[in-house]
Amino acid sequence: QKEVEQNSGPLSVPEGAIASLNCTYSDRGSQSFFWYRQYSGKSPELIMFIYSNGDKEDGRFTAQLNKASQYVSLLIRDSQPSDSATYLCAVGRDNQGGKLIFGQGTELSVKP
Amino acid sequence: DAGVTQSPTHLIKTRGQQVTLRCSPKSGHDTVSWYQQALGQGPQFIFQYYEEEERQRGNFPDRFSGHQFPNYSSELNVNALLLGDSALYLCASGAGGTTDTQYFGPGTRLTVL
Repeated sequence: QKEVEQNSGPLSVPEGAIASLNCTYSDRGSQSFFWYRQYSGKSPELIMFIYSNGDKEDGRFTAQLNKASQYVSLLIRDSQPSDSATYLCAVGRDNQGGKLIFGQGTELSVKP
Repeated sequence: DAGVTQSPTHLIKTRGQQVTLRCSPKSGHDTVSWYQQALGQGPQFIFQYYEEEERQRGNFPDRFSGHQFPNYSSELNVNALLLGDSALYLCASGAGGTTDTQYFGPGTRLTVL
């Protein structure tokens, strides 16, 4: 079992729709959760972080965390073609210093 | 406010050679983590430097080593390069040696022939 798992996709949604990206993790002691966006040929860009159970909203993005189910998701409302990228889920644990464990990423394609 | 910088952007080496990659963290940050990202994969943690010491290390051989300088900048050294070392090497900048928010630099694309 991988430590952090994501569907590799591609996930295709029409412009204006809600894109839902999912991530599961195996370490129950994980404490910090991050979503990065990575355009082709570029480096990952931090878009959301969440530490507590529940929802966290930032503009069109909502991160959802359920520690009991070891599940974290990212919702993108009103998806735009510019949202087309690979989305990486990363998980950290404070007693492991700055080590983040990444999933393999989900490729999102938003069709005009 | 300067972001994370890395140099060089691209590098081509042959098997057996050694390479040094450089990173300067975001202004106000004191922690540098290095990651290796193979094509189609998520980044894999190599190690983290905080207070000029290696604080945490991932599952990478001793051929991978690093250093952090008093100004918080960092170097990643890879000896005896293998074809499998070809990847995007990413530096992430953070604060306090924790898993708090980390910001990536543009990366160095290393090709080993």
